[in-house]
Amino acid sequence: AQTVTQSQPEMSVQEAETVTLSCTYDTSENNYYLFWYKQPPSRQMILVIRQEAYKQQNATENRFSVNFQKAAKSFSLKISDSQLGDTAMYFCAFDTGTASKLTFGTGTRLQVTL
Amino acid sequence: DSGVTQTPKHLITATGQRVTLRCSPRSGDLSVYWYQQSLDQGLQFLIHYYNGEERAKGNILERFSAQQFPDLHSELNLSSLELGDSALYFCASNANEGHSRELFFGEGSRLTVL
Repeated sequence: AQTVTQSQPEMSVQEAETVTLSCTYDTSENNYYLFWYKQPPSRQMILVIRQEAYKQQNATENRFSVNFQKAAKSFSLKISDSQLGDTAMYFCAFDTGTASKLTFGTGTRLQVTL
Repeated sequence: DSGVTQTPKHLITATGQRVTLRCSPRSGDLSVYWYQQSLDQGLQFLIHYYNGEERAKGNILERFSAQQFPDLHSELNLSSLELGDSALYFCASNANEGHSRELFFGEGSRLTVL
């Protein structure tokens, strides 16, 4: 079974600084997809960024980028120039493409402070 | 707005009762997924339907059932409710054609069992 581990339950970062959230996963599959979802206080789940395992280039979306290390099964999220609106729970998620579901980690609560 | 509609947004009921949560997927999406999120926890996969057929089942209790109708909307039925069933129930949809595994989430239905 696939598992996703987020080892940082809570993190704090000052506005305009950079923060990295960690995620590791376990799978025997070779082709899969990785995601970071954001859940602000409104509780809505919002996709932040997506990475296909067959792509070696790390995905980037504006201030959000990932460090995908396939051999190490690591998928960290870097948030640059943090903003107050980035305060949220961040979930790492994994999908093999055949498992017919996303498997989520337990989340990291990020607080951006002034 | 993700395009996924869930009703009701909030529901308060008593133990032993039965409730139905409804989900309308994004226009054109054939897949509907149900997830449960207990207080400050990750998302637990319940069940996946594709074009009316059950495709995958997670840790869904026998007291819970779901179905997807010909118009592609889905309902999650929760019966003999217990205090521990209090949670946020998310519906998500995607096209499930293998190109993108991104899930589009509704705003959730918050169930409180007293």
